[in-house]
Amino acid sequence: QVQLVESGGGVVQPGTSLRLSCAASGFTFRSYSINWVRQNPGKGLEWLAVMSYDGSRTYYADSVRGRFFVSRDISKSTVYLQLNNLTVEETALYYCVRVQRAQKVILPTFDYWGQGTLVTVSS
Amino acid sequence: QSALTQPPSASGFPGQSVTISCTGSSSDVGNSNYVSWYQQHPDKAPKLLIYEVNQRPSGVPDRFSGSKSGNTASLTVSGLQAEDEAQYYCNSYTGTSVMFGGGTKLTVL
Repeated sequence: QVQLVESGGGVVQPGTSLRLSCAASGFTFRSYSINWVRQNPGKGLEWLAVMSYDGSRTYYADSVRGRFFVSRDISKSTVYLQLNNLTVEETALYYCVRVQRAQKVILPTFDYWGQGTLVTVSS
Repeated sequence: QSALTQPPSASGFPGQSVTISCTGSSSDVGNSNYVSWYQQHPDKAPKLLIYEVNQRPSGVPDRFSGSKSGNTASLTVSGLQAEDEAQYYCNSYTGTSVMFGGGTKLTVL
């Protein structure tokens, strides 16, 4: 069965960095684009970034472009999100999600979600 | 990359129908057949409810339906049930970015 498992969250100070991981299983990793979405406590969903299925393209939300970077390791079927210069307002649950259609770079159809990893930014 | 606009709340009695709107622009909702809806219960990850405006994934009851007119998409929940009480989010895209609506809290009275 399809599984996405995030890890790497924790408590960090403002201005610091963190790297999140998303381990994928149960499907052909090279065929599906993976996105990162966050949810501030008690708030709505915010799309952050996407790594295309073939690794050729990445797209970012304006709010994180230049500070967050997405990458992947095919050998580990894992997608990473590097978070730099974090602010208190970025305290959130970070989800990795799979695009429903294979071999589509970017679509707003997310059929599988991980359980999320909590990032708390606090001094 | 503006967020889509949803009403913050909606409500209805069991058995009734409720419609939730999702308004974007001619750059996203109005220019795409890719509008999705998600249902989120407390402390759970969102679940895909509707995709490509009006398609239901396997397992989603046909009480849930989607439509679109111009820059506004809509989710209709018919025959409301207690378990439908949840947060609902829409999303769409422009081709290089994805945006979500702010979410609508559906209360079953």
